[in-house]
Amino acid sequence: DQQVKQNSPSLSVQEGRISILNCDYTNSMFDYFLWYKKYPAEGPTFLISISSIKDKNEDGRFTVFLNKSAKHLSLHIVPSQPGDSAVYFCAASARNYGGSQGNLIFGKGTKLSVKP
Amino acid sequence: EAQVTQNPRYLITVTGKKLTVTCSQNMNHEYMSWYRQDPGLGLRQIYYSMNVEVTDKGDVPEGYKVSRKEKRNFPLILESPSPNQTSLYFCASSLFPAGGSYEQYFGPGTRLTVT
Repeated sequence: DQQVKQNSPSLSVQEGRISILNCDYTNSMFDYFLWYKKYPAEGPTFLISISSIKDKNEDGRFTVFLNKSAKHLSLHIVPSQPGDSAVYFCAASARNYGGSQGNLIFGKGTKLSVKP
Repeated sequence: EAQVTQNPRYLITVTGKKLTVTCSQNMNHEYMSWYRQDPGLGLRQIYYSMNVEVTDKGDVPEGYKVSRKEKRNFPLILESPSPNQTSLYFCASSLFPAGGSYEQYFGPGTRLTVT
């Protein structure tokens, strides 16, 4: 059973507009969420994270929103740039529960294309 | 430069021929992990290690072995590779549990083809 779901395999956005990538999770023990960005032929790189004690975290053009009651998080990129075109993975971790603390559970990814 | 390195980057091999993919990090991280990425399946964890001599299975450990004899190295061993292990493999490391951040740093990937 998939614990972290990214239901949109792809997203296309015009340069300058907002990109919104969505992620849903099922495990209520998850308390830390991360977004990774991956370019072809490279490893994923960390983008932004959020702890479950917050509902928003901002870093420049990137903002992550967390809705715990809905078990939903989203990544907003404003304004979108062609260089943002990549695969974005949502990941979750249950830091304070169980023996596998720190293990990240990844979604399947969303391929973002930002058109000039 | 802080980094995770993997070797080889590309490998084509035949069924049954033992192989090892090396992974090394220079950040003094306790935690290391191996993932495989397959189309439509995202990143799935194979094995992880919380420290030297401490390893455990991830979600898809069948057909793989690991060892953690030194903090910096975490090799992935395929004793008898099969075609269903054709995949893109990533090694990752992070500080654990210190720091409160669970950001994992990823290597560049190893593309393995088993024929």
